[in-house]
Amino acid sequence: NAGVTQTPKFQVLKTGQSMTLQCAQDMNHEYMSWYRQDPGMGLRLIHYSVGAGITDQGEVPNGYNVSRSTTEDFPLRLLSAAPSQTSVYFCASSFLSRTDTQYFGPGTRLTVL
Amino acid sequence: GENVEQHPSTLSVQEGDSAVIKCTYSDSASNYFPWYKQELGKRPQLIIDIRSNVGEKKDQRIAVTLNKTAKHFSLHITETQPEDSAVYFCAAISSGSARQLTFGSGTQLTVLP
Repeated sequence: NAGVTQTPKFQVLKTGQSMTLQCAQDMNHEYMSWYRQDPGMGLRLIHYSVGAGITDQGEVPNGYNVSRSTTEDFPLRLLSAAPSQTSVYFCASSFLSRTDTQYFGPGTRLTVL
Repeated sequence: GENVEQHPSTLSVQEGDSAVIKCTYSDSASNYFPWYKQELGKRPQLIIDIRSNVGEKKDQRIAVTLNKTAKHFSLHITETQPEDSAVYFCAAISSGSARQLTFGSGTQLTVLP
């Protein structure tokens, strides 16, 4: 199993540009989520999904969109990037019914100029 | 919603000494408390977790204690080694929050040789 994978590893955007961060898992996990990590602030939940076709907002959803068309994939879209979105983004996944353990992807470091 | 506070933000110990990191949570419905270790440039990885129906859990040099009445839980690392140096995050999941993890702000642990 590859576990949770994310692409790209690094990305530089200009203000106003759009892009999609990719996340995939091969563990048949129902639950997937996106976090952003900023210095001194821990990890904050952006959006999450409990299954294909179901998404919901987390603590800091503004400026981000998600969709879940398959169990495996959970892309995060930035529609119009802003410098405040400079951060490290982590995708995570877990089972809903068996265990609460969440597994994180390797992260994407995003810089918005 | 849940609020998790973590102290201290930085901690330096001599190799072989013990380290203790403390967290408090606000939602009395929280029932799952994981601890993650994050090495520089890497993803967070689960090191130990505890559920609200137990008061203590140990795994070799690592232990976690939970006081439900006071709504706080702690990570204890004994016989620290240089490879224990990392950022440690506590987190909590509320029973009604569909697996949403709320993280503390992190503790930078440095083990001095």
